[in-house]
Amino acid sequence: GAVVSQHPSRVICKSGTSVKIECRSLDFQATTMFWYRQFPKQSLMLMATSNEGSKATYEQGVEKDKFLINHASLTLSTLTVTSAHPEDSSFYICSAKMNTEAFFGQGTRLTVV
Amino acid sequence: ELKVEQNPLFLSMQEGKNYTIYCNYSTTSDRLYWYRQDPGKSLESLFVLLSNGAVKQEGRLMASLDTKARLSTLHITAAVHDLSATYFCAVFTGNQFYFGTGTSLTVIP
Repeated sequence: GAVVSQHPSRVICKSGTSVKIECRSLDFQATTMFWYRQFPKQSLMLMATSNEGSKATYEQGVEKDKFLINHASLTLSTLTVTSAHPEDSSFYICSAKMNTEAFFGQGTRLTVV
Repeated sequence: ELKVEQNPLFLSMQEGKNYTIYCNYSTTSDRLYWYRQDPGKSLESLFVLLSNGAVKQEGRLMASLDTKARLSTLHITAAVHDLSATYFCAVFTGNQFYFGTGTSLTVIP
Protein backbone atom coordinates (compact mmCIF):
# COMPACT_ATOMS: atom_id res chain seq x y z
CA GLY A 1 0.00 0.00 0.00
CA ALA A 2 0.84 3.64 -0.26
CA VAL A 3 3.00 5.23 2.41
CA VAL A 4 2.39 8.46 4.26
CA SER A 5 5.21 9.71 6.44
CA GLN A 6 4.49 12.09 9.29
CA HIS A 7 7.21 13.86 11.21
CA PRO A 8 7.96 14.33 14.03
CA SER A 9 6.37 11.44 15.89
CA ARG A 10 6.76 13.19 19.22
CA VAL A 11 7.42 16.79 20.14
CA ILE A 12 7.52 18.69 23.39
CA CYS A 13 7.44 22.44 23.22
CA LYS A 14 7.07 25.38 25.56
CA SER A 15 3.93 27.44 25.78
CA GLY A 16 3.92 30.28 23.31
CA THR A 17 6.16 28.62 20.75
CA SER A 18 5.13 27.24 17.37
CA VAL A 19 5.43 23.68 16.15
CA LYS A 20 5.38 22.42 12.57
CA ILE A 21 4.26 18.93 11.65
CA GLU A 22 4.98 17.53 8.21
CA CYS A 23 2.97 14.99 6.28
CA ARG A 24 4.44 13.47 3.12
CA SER A 25 3.04 11.02 0.65
CA LEU A 26 6.11 9.03 -0.32
CA ASP A 27 5.06 7.08 -3.37
CA PHE A 28 2.01 8.83 -4.71
CA GLN A 29 0.67 12.30 -5.33
CA ALA A 30 -2.01 13.45 -2.96
CA THR A 31 -4.20 16.30 -4.08
CA THR A 32 -6.12 16.07 -0.84
CA MET A 33 -4.79 15.56 2.64
CA PHE A 34 -6.67 15.55 5.92
CA TRP A 35 -5.57 16.64 9.37
CA TYR A 36 -7.13 15.08 12.44
CA ARG A 37 -6.84 15.54 16.14
CA GLN A 38 -7.44 12.74 18.56
CA PHE A 39 -7.98 13.02 22.30
CA PRO A 40 -7.32 10.01 24.55
CA LYS A 41 -9.85 7.22 24.09
CA GLN A 42 -11.82 9.23 21.55
CA SER A 43 -12.35 9.07 17.83
CA LEU A 44 -10.59 11.17 15.22
CA MET A 45 -11.81 14.72 14.85
CA LEU A 46 -11.32 16.27 11.44
CA MET A 47 -9.61 19.62 11.73
CA ALA A 48 -9.19 20.58 8.10
CA THR A 49 -9.00 19.36 4.57
CA SER A 50 -5.91 20.43 2.71
CA ASN A 51 -5.97 20.77 -1.06
CA GLU A 52 -2.81 21.26 -3.07
CA GLY A 53 -2.43 24.78 -4.32
CA SER A 54 -5.42 26.22 -2.50
CA LYS A 55 -6.45 27.25 0.96
CA ALA A 56 -7.37 24.59 3.45
CA THR A 57 -10.96 24.07 4.44
CA TYR A 58 -11.32 24.18 8.20
CA GLU A 59 -14.01 22.49 10.22
CA GLN A 60 -16.28 24.54 12.38
CA GLY A 61 -14.64 25.49 15.64
CA VAL A 62 -11.07 25.05 14.42
CA GLU A 63 -9.08 28.28 14.54
CA LYS A 64 -7.41 28.75 11.19
CA ASP A 65 -5.00 31.34 12.56
CA LYS A 66 -3.84 28.94 15.22
CA PHE A 67 -3.60 25.82 13.10
CA LEU A 68 -1.92 26.90 9.89
CA ILE A 69 -2.08 24.40 7.07
CA ASN A 70 0.00 24.59 3.93
CA HIS A 71 -0.21 22.16 1.04
CA ALA A 72 2.43 23.54 -1.26
CA SER A 73 3.07 20.43 -3.30
CA LEU A 74 1.36 17.19 -4.26
CA THR A 75 3.42 15.28 -1.72
CA LEU A 76 3.67 17.58 1.27
CA SER A 77 1.25 19.19 3.67
CA THR A 78 2.25 20.91 6.88
CA LEU A 79 0.35 21.79 10.03
CA THR A 80 1.79 24.55 12.19
CA VAL A 81 0.43 24.98 15.68
CA THR A 82 1.11 28.62 16.48
CA SER A 83 1.52 30.04 19.97
CA ALA A 84 0.93 26.63 21.44
CA HIS A 85 -0.76 26.22 24.81
CA PRO A 86 -1.11 23.17 27.04
CA GLU A 87 -4.67 22.62 25.79
CA ASP A 88 -3.22 22.05 22.32
CA SER A 89 -1.51 18.93 23.60
CA SER A 90 -2.94 16.05 21.64
CA PHE A 91 -2.29 13.36 19.04
CA TYR A 92 -2.36 14.78 15.53
CA ILE A 93 -2.77 12.49 12.53
CA CYS A 94 -2.61 13.28 8.84
CA SER A 95 -3.94 11.21 6.00
CA ALA A 96 -3.70 11.37 2.26
CA LYS A 97 -6.37 10.20 -0.12
CA MET A 98 -5.53 8.15 -3.18
CA ASN A 99 -8.37 6.89 -5.31
CA THR A 100 -10.82 5.28 -2.90
CA GLU A 101 -8.52 4.85 0.06
CA ALA A 102 -6.98 6.96 2.79
CA PHE A 103 -3.51 6.31 4.06
CA PHE A 104 -2.47 7.56 7.45
CA GLY A 105 0.71 9.02 8.81
CA GLN A 106 2.21 7.66 12.00
CA GLY A 107 0.79 10.47 14.07
CA THR A 108 2.45 13.20 16.14
CA ARG A 109 2.17 13.33 19.90
CA LEU A 110 2.36 17.01 20.84
CA THR A 111 2.96 17.98 24.44
CA VAL A 112 2.96 21.65 25.35
CA VAL A 113 4.53 22.47 28.70
CA GLU B 1 -25.55 16.11 10.94
CA LEU B 2 -23.89 12.94 9.71
CA LYS B 3 -23.46 10.30 12.41
CA VAL B 4 -21.38 7.16 12.44
CA GLU B 5 -22.08 5.04 15.47
CA GLN B 6 -20.39 1.90 16.62
CA ASN B 7 -21.72 -0.70 18.98
CA PRO B 8 -20.40 -1.68 21.41
CA LEU B 9 -17.98 1.01 22.54
CA PHE B 10 -16.13 -1.39 24.79
CA LEU B 11 -15.83 -5.11 24.33
CA SER B 12 -14.11 -7.60 26.55
CA MET B 13 -14.11 -11.12 25.25
CA GLN B 14 -12.38 -14.39 25.96
CA GLU B 15 -9.95 -15.98 23.61
CA GLY B 16 -11.62 -18.39 21.25
CA LYS B 17 -14.97 -16.65 21.27
CA ASN B 18 -16.78 -14.97 18.40
CA TYR B 19 -18.27 -11.50 18.36
CA THR B 20 -19.53 -8.82 16.01
CA ILE B 21 -18.98 -5.07 16.04
CA TYR B 22 -21.66 -2.97 14.39
CA CYS B 23 -21.28 0.30 12.51
CA ASN B 24 -24.38 2.33 11.68
CA TYR B 25 -24.24 5.51 9.64
CA SER B 26 -26.81 8.15 8.82
CA THR B 27 -25.97 9.12 5.25
CA THR B 28 -26.02 7.53 1.84
CA SER B 29 -22.64 6.08 1.06
CA ASP B 30 -21.28 3.00 -0.63
CA ARG B 31 -17.78 3.36 0.76
CA LEU B 32 -17.10 2.01 4.20
CA TYR B 33 -13.74 1.48 5.83
CA TRP B 34 -12.48 -0.39 8.85
CA TYR B 35 -9.32 0.56 10.71
CA ARG B 36 -7.38 -0.75 13.64
CA GLN B 37 -5.56 1.45 16.12
CA ASP B 38 -3.10 0.21 18.72
CA PRO B 39 -2.37 2.36 21.77
CA GLY B 40 -0.19 5.34 20.89
CA LYS B 41 -0.21 4.44 17.22
CA SER B 42 -1.91 5.69 14.10
CA LEU B 43 -4.57 3.91 12.09
CA GLU B 44 -3.97 0.74 10.14
CA SER B 45 -6.30 -0.04 7.26
CA LEU B 46 -8.14 -3.33 7.59
CA PHE B 47 -10.89 -3.37 4.98
CA VAL B 48 -12.28 -1.20 2.21
CA LEU B 49 -15.89 -2.02 1.28
CA LEU B 50 -17.05 -0.33 -1.90
CA SER B 51 -20.43 -1.78 -2.75
CA ASN B 52 -23.61 -3.11 -1.25
CA GLY B 53 -23.18 -6.69 -0.16
CA ALA B 54 -19.40 -6.49 -0.13
CA VAL B 55 -17.75 -9.00 2.16
CA LYS B 56 -14.05 -9.18 2.89
CA GLN B 57 -12.08 -11.49 5.14
CA GLU B 58 -8.59 -11.40 6.50
CA GLY B 59 -7.56 -13.96 9.06
CA ARG B 60 -9.99 -13.94 11.98
CA LEU B 61 -11.72 -10.75 10.83
CA MET B 62 -14.54 -10.46 8.34
CA ALA B 63 -16.29 -7.25 7.32
CA SER B 64 -19.53 -6.78 5.44
CA LEU B 65 -21.56 -3.88 4.13
CA ASP B 66 -25.29 -3.38 3.70
CA THR B 67 -25.77 0.04 2.14
CA LYS B 68 -29.54 -0.19 2.21
CA ALA B 69 -29.54 -0.68 5.96
CA ARG B 70 -26.58 1.71 6.32
CA LEU B 71 -24.86 -0.94 8.36
CA SER B 72 -21.47 -2.55 8.35
CA THR B 73 -20.29 -5.35 10.59
CA LEU B 74 -16.87 -6.53 11.67
CA HIS B 75 -17.00 -10.13 12.78
CA ILE B 76 -14.31 -11.63 14.94
CA THR B 77 -13.86 -15.38 14.86
CA ALA B 78 -12.04 -17.29 17.58
CA ALA B 79 -10.48 -14.19 19.09
CA VAL B 80 -6.85 -14.13 20.10
CA HIS B 81 -5.02 -11.68 22.34
CA ASP B 82 -3.28 -10.01 19.37
CA LEU B 83 -6.62 -8.66 18.23
CA SER B 84 -6.83 -6.40 21.27
CA ALA B 85 -7.01 -2.85 19.88
CA THR B 86 -9.48 -0.10 19.05
CA TYR B 87 -11.43 -0.57 15.84
CA PHE B 88 -12.92 2.29 13.87
CA CYS B 89 -15.28 2.29 10.96
CA ALA B 90 -15.41 5.27 8.63
CA VAL B 91 -17.73 6.47 5.90
CA PHE B 92 -16.53 8.50 2.94
CA THR B 93 -18.90 11.11 1.60
CA GLY B 94 -18.65 14.71 0.51
CA ASN B 95 -14.90 14.36 -0.04
CA GLN B 96 -14.15 13.54 3.56
CA PHE B 97 -14.08 10.63 5.95
CA TYR B 98 -16.37 10.42 8.94
CA PHE B 99 -15.17 8.15 11.69
CA GLY B 100 -17.18 6.07 14.04
CA THR B 101 -16.97 6.32 17.79
CA GLY B 102 -14.57 3.40 17.98
CA THR B 103 -14.78 0.02 19.70
CA SER B 104 -12.15 -0.80 22.26
CA LEU B 105 -11.59 -4.55 22.15
CA THR B 106 -9.81 -6.48 24.87
CA VAL B 107 -9.27 -10.18 24.40
CA ILE B 108 -8.73 -12.00 27.66
CA PRO B 109 -6.69 -15.21 27.79
